[in-house]
Amino acid sequence: EPEVTQTPSHQVTQMGQEVILRCVPISNHLYFYWYRQILGQKVEFLVSFYNNEISEKSEIFDDQFSVERPDGSNFTLKIRSTKLEDSAMYFCASRRTSGRGNEQFFGPGTRLTVL
Amino acid sequence: ILNVEQSPQSLHVQEGDSTNFTCSFPSSNFYALHWYRWETAKSPEALFVMTLNGDEKKKGRISATLNTKEGYSYLYIKGSQPEDSATYLCAFFLDYGQNFVFGPGTRLSVLP
Repeated sequence: EPEVTQTPSHQVTQMGQEVILRCVPISNHLYFYWYRQILGQKVEFLVSFYNNEISEKSEIFDDQFSVERPDGSNFTLKIRSTKLEDSAMYFCASRRTSGRGNEQFFGPGTRLTVL
Repeated sequence: ILNVEQSPQSLHVQEGDSTNFTCSFPSSNFYALHWYRWETAKSPEALFVMTLNGDEKKKGRISATLNTKEGYSYLYIKGSQPEDSATYLCAFFLDYGQNFVFGPGTRLSVLP
């Protein structure tokens, strides 16, 4: 059964460093999402992406964040200069269409630890 | 700021008990509500996508209902089993944009 994959499963970085989190959505899906969950808090929406551009982003998704679909299969989240408060679990998700009855499929997440 | 709430925060039941929990969401601009089951160290897995007021969906021992007018959805588990132990998340999908708002989850532990 097709699934969303994410790499790496765990990333440790120093504050101020750039990180790139990678996701491979399900191949015939068109809508892509990044979420994060800080330990003990709710899952929070970061950004949605369709047709090679951002369709919506939250207040969390500031200039330090960017997303890209560089090669038609990967969907990446870049954090330019990490802060301690960026430590969280980052989930990628994809949907085939934007229809209201269409479910999201989540990847297993990347745990980012900023030291 | 939209708020999606879930109650209770956590729940411990004995194997064989039936249980239910609630997701509350804004009743205006409703588009869809998703329920997810999230086991530790795994991806959240979609259980139900609910779109119409009065929807009732069922998958095995798990079922869900939806009331968009009053802004709540119930998830029921009949005859809980230890493998049902997980966090159950609801996510509210606005009728504009592509943005899901998640509830904080209900953590269910089923004791053998």
